[in-house]
Amino acid sequence: DIQMTQSPSSLSASVGDRVTITCQASQDISNYLNWYQQKPGKAPKLLIYDASNLETGVPSRFSGSGSGTDFTFTISSLQPEDIATYYCQQYDNLPMVTFGPGTKVDIK
Amino acid sequence: QVQLQESGPGLVKPSQTLSLTCTVSGGSISSGGYYWSWIRQHPGKGLEWIGYIYYSGSTYYNPSLKSRVTISVDTSKNQFSLKLSSVTAADTAVYYCASTSGNWFDPWGQGTLVTVSS
Repeated sequence: DIQMTQSPSSLSASVGDRVTITCQASQDISNYLNWYQQKPGKAPKLLIYDASNLETGVPSRFSGSGSGTDFTFTISSLQPEDIATYYCQQYDNLPMVTFGPGTKVDIK
Repeated sequence: QVQLQESGPGLVKPSQTLSLTCTVSGGSISSGGYYWSWIRQHPGKGLEWIGYIYYSGSTYYNPSLKSRVTISVDTSKNQFSLKLSSVTAADTAVYYCASTSGNWFDPWGQGTLVTVSS
């Protein structure tokens, strides 16, 4: 099974700060990686697919990059509405998919 | 725009079978191109893929749950369902249904909490 790790597990940042989350796969998954945002009490929402493609309607302050085993998710200027937990998800060995453990983002 | 809504009992006794239904609106399950998925989230924890079904009935399950999971589809009602047998407290979770191209999950239902307790 492909294992996903994320770091940090949580972070606090100020409004306007640049926030970066990393996701690492236990083996090469090419660019088969997605990012989701989950606000408290809500379902996850797709933000980034195929490592770097912004889902329609998602603000451009969100971005993703990486390939192989190392991936990065960035919020260029943190906004209060970005308070959420962010998950990466790999789909290299379909039909089995796995999610990362999540990174909780708070406002300082 | 496709929307999904989970329904079913919020409380299930240990050793019994958990049964949930996902109703799809704004689009047809039979239109093809998408798989219909179940994902769960243990309280305060991460996300676990349970399995998915194609409108034709083809199913794919997480190996860790495969022996206890059945996903079925009712195209006439535009619904798909999850059955998880022999539940224990470890199956207490929020259960989500979602549409997937096979690669990513979008959209998701709002989720339903199922508690396993006597």
